[in-house]
Amino acid sequence: QKEVEQDPGPLSVPEGAIVSLNCTYSNSAFQYFMWYRQYSRKGPELLMYTYSSGNKEDGRFTAQVDKSSKYISLFIRDSQPSDSATYLCAMSDTGRRALTFGSGTRLQVQP
Amino acid sequence: GAGVSQSPSNKVTEKGKDVELRCDPISGHTALYWYRQSLGQGLEFLIYFQGNSAPDKSGLPSDRFSAERTGGSVSTLTIQRTQQEDSAVYLCASSSTGSTDTQYFGPGTRLTVL
Repeated sequence: QKEVEQDPGPLSVPEGAIVSLNCTYSNSAFQYFMWYRQYSRKGPELLMYTYSSGNKEDGRFTAQVDKSSKYISLFIRDSQPSDSATYLCAMSDTGRRALTFGSGTRLQVQP
Repeated sequence: GAGVSQSPSNKVTEKGKDVELRCDPISGHTALYWYRQSLGQGLEFLIYFQGNSAPDKSGLPSDRFSAERTGGSVSTLTIQRTQQEDSAVYLCASSSTGSTDTQYFGPGTRLTVL
C-alpha cells in the first residue's frame, strides 16, 4: 500500500463548479502538507502549503488537513478552464526533507 | 528571477547507454532534489543535497543511478547502462534552506530508453 493515496481521475466538471480533491495517507509523522498543480509537460508548481491540521484559504483555493483522519483536501471555487491540470498532493515530516507525493488527480473543467 | 532549469528537455537513448541530466537550481538555494515521475504516477524521490552535507541517497533505485552537485550549485544525475524501465520524466527542485521551505520545480527532462 502506498503511503499517500490519491484518486487519479479524470475528474470532469463544468465551468463555475466547486471542485473537491483529496488524499489519504498512512504515515502519522507527516506534518507538512502541500498541493501542487502540474500542467501537461511542465514541472509542478506549488498552490497551497499547510502545517499540521486546519484550513488555509488563498483566493479560490482552500486547503484542509484533518490529521486525526489522515485526510487532506483541496477545494477550488468557481472553477475555470485554466484550472484544467493534474493536482498532486505532497507531504513531509520534520525529519525528512523529501516530499512524498500522491499519484495526482487529473482535472478537466469544461467551458 | 530565473527559475530552476534543466537540460536537455528531451533525451532518447538506447538501452545500455549512459545518460547525464543537468539541473541548474535557483541562485542562492542551498537545497536541491531529484525526483522521477513515471507515466501516470506521482513523483518519486531520488536524492537530496543540502549545502556541504552528505547527500540523502535513500531514494536511488539502483547503483546505476548517481548524482553530483558541484560547487553547491549545478547538479548532474547520471544513469548508467540505461534500461527501458528508466523511461520517465526526471524533475529537479530547489529550495532556499531545505528545511520546510517551498520546493520549486524545473520543467523536467523526459527520458526515453529504446
